[in-house]
Amino acid sequence: RKEVEQDPGPFNVPEGATVAFNCTYSNSASQSFFWYRQDCRKEPKLLMSVYSSGNEDGRFTAQLNRASQYISLLIRDSKLSDSATYLCVAYTGTASKLTFGTGTRLQVTL
Amino acid sequence: NAGVMQNPRHLVRRRGQEARLRCSPMKGHSHVYWYRQLPEEGLKFMVYLQKENIIDESGMPKERFSAEFPKEGPSILRIQQVVRGDSAAYFCASSSNGQETQYFGPGTRLLVL
Repeated sequence: RKEVEQDPGPFNVPEGATVAFNCTYSNSASQSFFWYRQDCRKEPKLLMSVYSSGNEDGRFTAQLNRASQYISLLIRDSKLSDSATYLCVAYTGTASKLTFGTGTRLQVTL
Repeated sequence: NAGVMQNPRHLVRRRGQEARLRCSPMKGHSHVYWYRQLPEEGLKFMVYLQKENIIDESGMPKERFSAEFPKEGPSILRIQQVVRGDSAAYFCASSSNGQETQYFGPGTRLLVL
């Protein structure tokens, strides 16, 4: 079983739609969680951190459920520029490394 | 404020040759991480280094791969006797304190013919 699992998609949505991505993690020692965005053939870029209390950054909302070991990302009012692969990431302090999911592809269309 | 720099951006090698990938961390960062991304897969941790020390190499293949981060100069990931399966994007990341906020370089795309 992979440490971080995501639905690979692709998710094809029209502009303006709301889309939600889910992610589960298996290592209960993971301390911090993040969503990264990766455009085709580019490096991953930090989108936002994920907290149990939930956090919002503009059109993006991330949520963590430690009991279920589940992480989510909600994108409202999708834009064409949101098209990318979204990577769910867990950080384990004892190992000081990031563990990446394989990513969920999002394609926003006109 | 320059970000993480990697070179070369693209590298082509024939089977059996050596590949050397370089990474210069962000200014002020002394922690470097290397990740590999195989085609259609997620990033996989390879090695974590601080200046002159390997902290965690649990993700490194046992043979042919080595990494260093000397006191002066960039971190280097070295792959000896490359095989086709080594073709991948190799990303370097750096952090200031070994914590979770890591900044990624643009990657080196290695193609083994």
